[in-house]
Amino acid sequence: KQEVTQIPAALSVPEGENLVLNCSFTDSAIYNLQWFRQDPGKGLTSLLLIQSSQREQTSGRLNASLDKSSGRSTLYIAASQPGDSATYLCAVRPAGGTSYGKLTFGQGTILTVHP
Amino acid sequence: EPEVTQTPSHQVTQMGQEVILRCVPISNHLYFYWYRQILGQKVEFLVSFYNNEISEKSEIFDDQFSVERPDGSNFTLKIRSTKLEDSAMYFCASRTNNEQFFGPGTRLTVL
Repeated sequence: KQEVTQIPAALSVPEGENLVLNCSFTDSAIYNLQWFRQDPGKGLTSLLLIQSSQREQTSGRLNASLDKSSGRSTLYIAASQPGDSATYLCAVRPAGGTSYGKLTFGQGTILTVHP
Repeated sequence: EPEVTQTPSHQVTQMGQEVILRCVPISNHLYFYWYRQILGQKVEFLVSFYNNEISEKSEIFDDQFSVERPDGSNFTLKIRSTKLEDSAMYFCASRTNNEQFFGPGTRLTVL
């Protein structure tokens, strides 16, 4: 059974810092990995998706990397801003023909960026 | 930009009552999902739906739950007899090939 773990559980940084959020998964047979942002009481906003054949994806100040063989992904946020404060979730989709794409989520990293 | 919508945003019900949560997936998507998130816990997969039938379901998705796509646009989750432990945020999601897009969620409170 796939297990997804995110470290750290919470992170508080001053504005302007570069930071790294970590995600690990126990079963490397994945199809892709998605990073989401969740604001308090709100839905999930997709940030980046990395296919299993890719090593990284970039969108603006966000860069996500994937090392499938070691079961790890990182989300790098450059020049953090107070508006980045949210919970960041990673989720993996299993590979295999019997999978219809269900995602297994980590518990999230709560990020606070203070001015 | 197309988005997944869900109604209602908040539903309060008495234990034992039936509730129906509604979703409108993105129009050209073919795969539909329900997830839930109990307060303070991980987002959990409930069920996936493709080609007008359930394709996969979790252990949580027991006989009290059902899903339906009654027309070409709506996708519903029904809980027949709600329990206190059904209180959670319920998210609908849809996808075409790769990326899943989530709705804003329905907060279900069972009293």
